[in-house]
Amino acid sequence: AQKITQTQPGMFVQEKEAVTLDCTYDTSDQSYGLFWYKQPSSGEMIFLIYQGSYDEQNATEGRYSLNFQKARKSANLVISASQLGDSAMYFCAMREDVFNDMRFGAGTRLTVKP
Amino acid sequence: NAGVTQTPKFQVLKTGQSMTLQCAQDMNHEYMSWYRQDPGMGLRLIHYSVGAGITDQGEVPNGYNVSRSTTEDFPLRLLSAAPSQTSVYFCASSYSRGTGVSDTQYFGPGTRLTVL
Repeated sequence: AQKITQTQPGMFVQEKEAVTLDCTYDTSDQSYGLFWYKQPSSGEMIFLIYQGSYDEQNATEGRYSLNFQKARKSANLVISASQLGDSAMYFCAMREDVFNDMRFGAGTRLTVKP
Repeated sequence: NAGVTQTPKFQVLKTGQSMTLQCAQDMNHEYMSWYRQDPGMGLRLIHYSVGAGITDQGEVPNGYNVSRSTTEDFPLRLLSAAPSQTSVYFCASSYSRGTGVSDTQYFGPGTRLTVL
């Protein structure tokens, strides 16, 4: 079964507007970590934000915030005030307590329109 | 710090050839891993290592070998290349060898491999 599901293959947003990228996950562990990575057209993987399963507050890093809804098993990435440089692939990933490895979703391609 | 480095950046192989993708990190990270990225499938784990001398299989290990003789290096060997191994390969590392769910993985720049 898919551990991480990103249901939006592609998204468009107008420059300066906010956008939400969806991510749902599947785990039976109580302790896990959720991550978002950005992959621009140059190909590198850039870490954006982390949310722990026991964290009571939603994580924020600059213009990035994570809308964590534990009961729904969702960890959506919110990008505020979109910029042209935000155009990229975005991957949601999860690390579970029992295992060391990190599982990734299929990604969402975000295009920011001027 | 250079972070995670990978060589080569690009490689073209013929079916049946073997080669080694190099990965090194200078952050003294215990955990290292190899992923392949294929269109529409995200990143899939090939092999990982929780420390020197310790390796284990990930989700898609067939056709690949790894070893970890030092903390810094984690090479990936393709034994007999097949067209199905055409992909982008990423090496990553993180600090913890244990159950560190908060440990962020840092990625190398990737190697684009084509097998003809």
